[in-house]
Amino acid sequence: AQSVTQLGSHVSVSEGALVLLRCNYSSSVPPYLFWYVQYPNQGLQLLLKYTSAATLVKGINGFEAEFKKSETSFHLTKPSAHMSDAAEYFCAALFGNEKLTFGTGTRLTIIP
Amino acid sequence: NAGVTQTPKFQVLKTGQSMTLQCAQDMNHEYMSWYRQDPGMGLRLIHYSVGAGITDQGEVPNGYNVSRSTTEDFPLRLLSAAPSQTSVYFCASSYSVDGSPLHFGNGTRLTVT
Repeated sequence: AQSVTQLGSHVSVSEGALVLLRCNYSSSVPPYLFWYVQYPNQGLQLLLKYTSAATLVKGINGFEAEFKKSETSFHLTKPSAHMSDAAEYFCAALFGNEKLTFGTGTRLTIIP
Repeated sequence: NAGVTQTPKFQVLKTGQSMTLQCAQDMNHEYMSWYRQDPGMGLRLIHYSVGAGITDQGEVPNGYNVSRSTTEDFPLRLLSAAPSQTSVYFCASSYSVDGSPLHFGNGTRLTVT
């Protein structure tokens, strides 16, 4: 079955450290892939998306993600964490139909 | 532009009551959808619409109805509320389903007692 898996429901990093949030998909055909961010009491906002063009995708707020077909992964990274990055992050995939499938989310905590 | 507007922000219902969650967008988006968000489960698709007059079921449609009489509006109806429907509900829209990003409303927090 087609699915999206986010490893780690909670991730903590120190301010200034590397942020790495993991996302893997299960599908025989690479889907369109997205990362969304949710700040407290708000809806989700798009960080970046992969739609089969460049495999390294740059998004807003210094985030980027790399699509790796061999690993069926689309991990999100940021070189240096900032306090304002604390939020919940969702990976999502469009598997060729009309239904965007979300992962279960990763809550990112930044340690001062 | 207001974007995607959801009302109400909060609602408490008793078991068996019915209600409608409103969603309106002013971006002329063809695609609209409803998700529910529950802890540890991410967002799950309830219903979606690819245009006025067209709706379809998502992953968890039971207990919910939708209609799409105009491009702008996509209300979600709870027919007979149950405690299992306690959740945060998000409406989202996009130009199409070809990879266009979703624009989300700020959510409706529903509690069913």
